[in-house]
Amino acid sequence: NAGVTQTPKFQVLKTGQSMTLQCAQDMNHNSMYWYRQDPGMGLRLIYYSASEGTTDKGEVPNGYNVSRLNKREFSLRLESAAPSQTSVYFCASREIVDGEQYFGPGTRLTVT
Amino acid sequence: AQKITQTQPGMFVQEKEAVTLDCTYDTSDPSYGLFWYKQPSSGEMIFLIYQGSYDQQNATEGRYSLNFQKARKSANLVISASQLGDSAMYFCAMRDWFSGGYQKVTFGTGTKLQVIP
Repeated sequence: NAGVTQTPKFQVLKTGQSMTLQCAQDMNHNSMYWYRQDPGMGLRLIYYSASEGTTDKGEVPNGYNVSRLNKREFSLRLESAAPSQTSVYFCASREIVDGEQYFGPGTRLTVT
Repeated sequence: AQKITQTQPGMFVQEKEAVTLDCTYDTSDPSYGLFWYKQPSSGEMIFLIYQGSYDQQNATEGRYSLNFQKARKSANLVISASQLGDSAMYFCAMRDWFSGGYQKVTFGTGTKLQVIP
């Protein structure tokens, strides 16, 4: 079991460029999440997918789109990157109501 | 309003001593869950312990215990017999409900713990 995997691990973008962060889990979990982590801010939820075929906005969705491609994969897209989107991005998944979230290793994104 | 508050940005503890990391929360949902995660300098998020709002007893996992005081809305993490490897950021988190009927998990801003030899 690989758990939750994320690609890429590091990325540098110029302002206005687009990119997609990939996330996959092999634990057959229904729920998947995208967070961003900024210094002093903890983790903030960007988007959430309760199950395959559904997505919902979190606290900070502006500037992002997501796709729940299938049960395993949940991608995050930045259409036009801005310096304010410089952050570490974590994908997570969870199966049951009271279960812990399993996190991927994170993607460190810098927008110049 | 802050849903999860961690008031200690940084703490020091002597190796082998116990330490308490504070967490208070705010929710109107009767059913919620509280989590603690550890993030070492390598960056990964490691689950430590979980407490459900209806659990009668405080959760324990090895050297970790959660001091759950429901009336005060606090869920402090206690680490006994600190080890150098406990040096990390610690995040408190709460699961409750979106207005749309889905669950969400909200994280606090974290406490940086440093264990001194």
